Amino acid sequence: DAKTTQPPSMDCAEGRAANLPCNHSTISGNEYVYWYRQIHSQGPQYIIHGLKNNETNEMASLIITEDRKSSTLILPHATLRDTAVYYCIVGYQKVTFGTGTKLQVIP
Amino acid sequence: DAGITQSPRHKVTETGTPVTLRCHQTENHRYMYWYRQDPGHGLRLIHYSYGVKDTDKGEVSDGYSVSRSKTEDFLLTLESATSSQTSVYFCASHSGSDNEQFFGPGTRLTVL
Repeated sequence: DAKTTQPPSMDCAEGRAANLPCNHSTISGNEYVYWYRQIHSQGPQYIIHGLKNNETNEMASLIITEDRKSSTLILPHATLRDTAVYYCIVGYQKVTFGTGTKLQVIP
Repeated sequence: DAGITQSPRHKVTETGTPVTLRCHQTENHRYMYWYRQDPGHGLRLIHYSYGVKDTDKGEVSDGYSVSRSKTEDFLLTLESATSSQTSVYFCASHSGSDNEQFFGPGTRLTVL
């Protein structure tokens, strides 16, 4: 499965959009991009996934570049409860989560 | 969320003792996973299962074995626990249709 690269940490002002980048330059044609987040020591929570097209749900938007080598997770109006570690993963069955991006939403 | 539970939630044991962690899901998911999480390493895959009696190794499988005799249960066994296996263990499952994994609450294992 392809590996991903994410910045270790980011800050975002409450109410502003949080844009979390992810590089996955070795992604294969049939591999999806998935985003999860982990709040404190809870189990990770699924956010969104996509293959080629941009996706949006009630939690976030996912923008995937045309070459599929990178993507951005967008939280449109970040709240304090969005403070968490965000993981970008690619693959199918046997995936690696990596260390993710620690997002701190600042009041 | 999928009904996925882990037991025990906390365990303290001594080096050299066997330990079994249980993961139970009520969603009839085909795929199940065991991860460990340590500071600085994110979540690392230990073993996974793609059906009853069908399992495969992940990236950190040494010292661990698994069994899946029923769809709903996935057991992780440490045959002889070592201090390096002190960690938080997460179980996950998914149906196979889109790989959206549902995670359990985690088990904190301390090996003294």
